[in-house]
Amino acid sequence: KNQVEQSPQSLIILEGKNCTLQCNYTVSPFSNLRWYKQDTGRGPVSLTIMTFSENTKSNGRYTATLDADTKQSSLHITASQLSDSASYICVVSGRGMRFGAGTRLTVKP
Amino acid sequence: DAGVIQSPRHEVTEMGQEVTLRCKPISGHDYLFWYRQTMMRGLELLIYFNNNVPIDDSGMPEDRFSAKMPNASFSTLKIQPSEPRDSAVYFCASSQHRETEAFFGQGTRLTVV
Repeated sequence: KNQVEQSPQSLIILEGKNCTLQCNYTVSPFSNLRWYKQDTGRGPVSLTIMTFSENTKSNGRYTATLDADTKQSSLHITASQLSDSASYICVVSGRGMRFGAGTRLTVKP
Repeated sequence: DAGVIQSPRHEVTEMGQEVTLRCKPISGHDYLFWYRQTMMRGLELLIYFNNNVPIDDSGMPEDRFSAKMPNASFSTLKIQPSEPRDSAVYFCASSQHRETEAFFGQGTRLTVV
C-alpha cells in the first residue's frame, strides 16, 4: 500500500468553480508535505511546502491545509481557470520522499 | 537564471546501449535531485546530492544506474546497459536547501527499444 494516497484519481469541473483535492499519508517520521502542479509534458512546479507546525498555506488561488494529527492534507483551488488543468501531486518527506499518484484535474469552459 | 537545464530532451536508444542524461542545476542551489516518472509507478526519487556529494541513493533501481556530480553546475545520470523497462521521463531538480522549493527541469524522455 502506498504511503501517500491521493483522491480523487481524476476530476472534471467547470471553469470558475472551486475544488478540493485530498492527500492522506502514513509516512513517519514527518518532515514536510509539498503540493506540485504538473502540466502535460512539463516538469512539476511547486505550489506549497508545509512543515509540521503549519496547517495552512496559500499561493494565489491555491490553498493547502495540513492536519498532522490525522495525517491529511488538502489542496483547495478557488475560481478555477482553464490553465489549472494539470496533475496535482502530493509529496511527503520524512526519512525519504514518498509520492502520491496524483489527481488529474480537467477544467472545462 | 534559465532554470534547471536538462539534456537531451528526448533520447531513443537500443537495448544494451549506454545512456547518459545531463543536468545543470540553478546556480547557488546546494541540492540536486534525480527523479523518474512513469505511468505505472508515478514519480520516484532516484538519488539526491548535497554540495556535490550523494546523500541518498536508495531509490536507484539497480547497479545499471549511476549518478555523478563532478561540480556544482553539472550532474549526470548514466544507465548501462539500458533496458526497455528503463523507458520513462527522467527529471532533474535543484533547491537551495532540502526543505525549500525544488525547481524541476523539463525532463528527458527516454525510450529504450
